[in-house]
Amino acid sequence: DQQVKQNSPSLSVQEGRISILNCDYTNSMFDYFLWYKKYPAEGPTFLISISSIKDKNEDGRFTVFLNKSAKHLSLHIVPSQPGDSAVYFCAATGISNFGNEKLTFGTGTRLTIIP
Amino acid sequence: GAVVSQHPSRVICKSGTSVKIECRSLDFQATTMFWYRQFPKQSLMLMATSNEGSKATYEQGVEKDKFLINHASLTLSTLTVTSAHPEDSSFYICSASQGSDGYTFGSGTRLTVV
Repeated sequence: DQQVKQNSPSLSVQEGRISILNCDYTNSMFDYFLWYKKYPAEGPTFLISISSIKDKNEDGRFTVFLNKSAKHLSLHIVPSQPGDSAVYFCAATGISNFGNEKLTFGTGTRLTIIP
Repeated sequence: GAVVSQHPSRVICKSGTSVKIECRSLDFQATTMFWYRQFPKQSLMLMATSNEGSKATYEQGVEKDKFLINHASLTLSTLTVTSAHPEDSSFYICSASQGSDGYTFGSGTRLTVV
């Protein structure tokens, strides 16, 4: 039962354009969401997060949008740079026990930025 | 920022032997550590959660006698794959938590059992 889904396994975007990565979840108990970037043979690196009390969080080139009613979140990267090429995972957890509770990961989206 | 050191980064072992993977939080005390496994082109699947000084909590379907987890101190957790078989070949990643300050991941260990 995949509670966090990333339906696009791969995405190619021209350098300088906007990259939009999508994530859907099914568990209503999730109220904190995170995006991680991962290179091959490395551990995930935290990018940005959002609590369910917000619908948007921005950090530099990265913005995460949350639509709680649709159980959908998206990560926007603008402008996209070649160094952004990696696999991106969204993850979800409960805020009430954040840090002591596991993260549930999506299946990942491989982003390729075309120079 | 918080750093988690995981080693070895790669290990090749013979079928039937045991392999130990270490996960250390270098500049903070980790109240909770998590062990994940990633299959090719798949998500990171949680194997177990460990809290210092107590037994690990294993996810459904994970054999606790095969994947031994020891969280002996607030800075070290180990995962031992016992009697390894080729199907145990995978990418294992640890994560350490400082509580509400969030999660930091190790760099992962590629295990190949031949």
